[in-house]
Amino acid sequence: DARVTQTPRDKVTEMGQEVTMRCQPILGHNTVFWYRQTMMQGLELLAYFRNRAPLDDSGMPKDRFSAEMPDATLATLKIQPSEPRDSAVYFCASAMGHPVLDTQYFGPGTRLTVL
Amino acid sequence: TQLLEQSPQFLSIQEGENLTVYCNSSSVFSSLQWYRQEPGEGPVLLVTVVTGGEVKKLKRLTFQFGDARKDSSLHITAAQPGDTGLYLCAGSSGNTGKLIFGQGTTLQVKP
Repeated sequence: DARVTQTPRDKVTEMGQEVTMRCQPILGHNTVFWYRQTMMQGLELLAYFRNRAPLDDSGMPKDRFSAEMPDATLATLKIQPSEPRDSAVYFCASAMGHPVLDTQYFGPGTRLTVL
Repeated sequence: TQLLEQSPQFLSIQEGENLTVYCNSSSVFSSLQWYRQEPGEGPVLLVTVVTGGEVKKLKRLTFQFGDARKDSSLHITAAQPGDTGLYLCAGSSGNTGKLIFGQGTTLQVKP
């Protein structure tokens, strides 16, 4: 049963600390998305990659957020330094890369709390 | 900026009732998807509609894409407690695969 995995599931940290979230996409999927979900803003796209290359990171605060795909089996989202307003659930999703009919498969999310 | 507005935001009904959730935009989308999300989990795709006027049925769920491809609706017949969750619509335009999500409709079905 192929699924997207994310670690950690929960993270509590103090303001100013570095946070790294990891995602393992479904094997064979060439597109990876990072989303942030909050009650106020809903689900927002932060960045996405196709064939490991960043295609769009316009939704991401560039001064503190960075996203990378070191290899096809790992995507990372890093926040440095973290701030209380970054508290949210961060989802990773992967897809086959079909331009219109694609299905995005979401991971279970990382719940981040910045104190 | 493309936006998708969902209504209602919250819905609490009794088991057996029917309901409709709406997803509206001023923008045209090449496709529109509906997801369902349960607490502590990521959204799961229910359906994708791509043709204006298209209607798809999934058991008690009926999805419709507007003729102009700017809006969509989700109708649930005889709702059950297992239908409880957050329903999200998401639109795609162009060929990037990038999705714009609506704010979601939280549905609670009481036994």
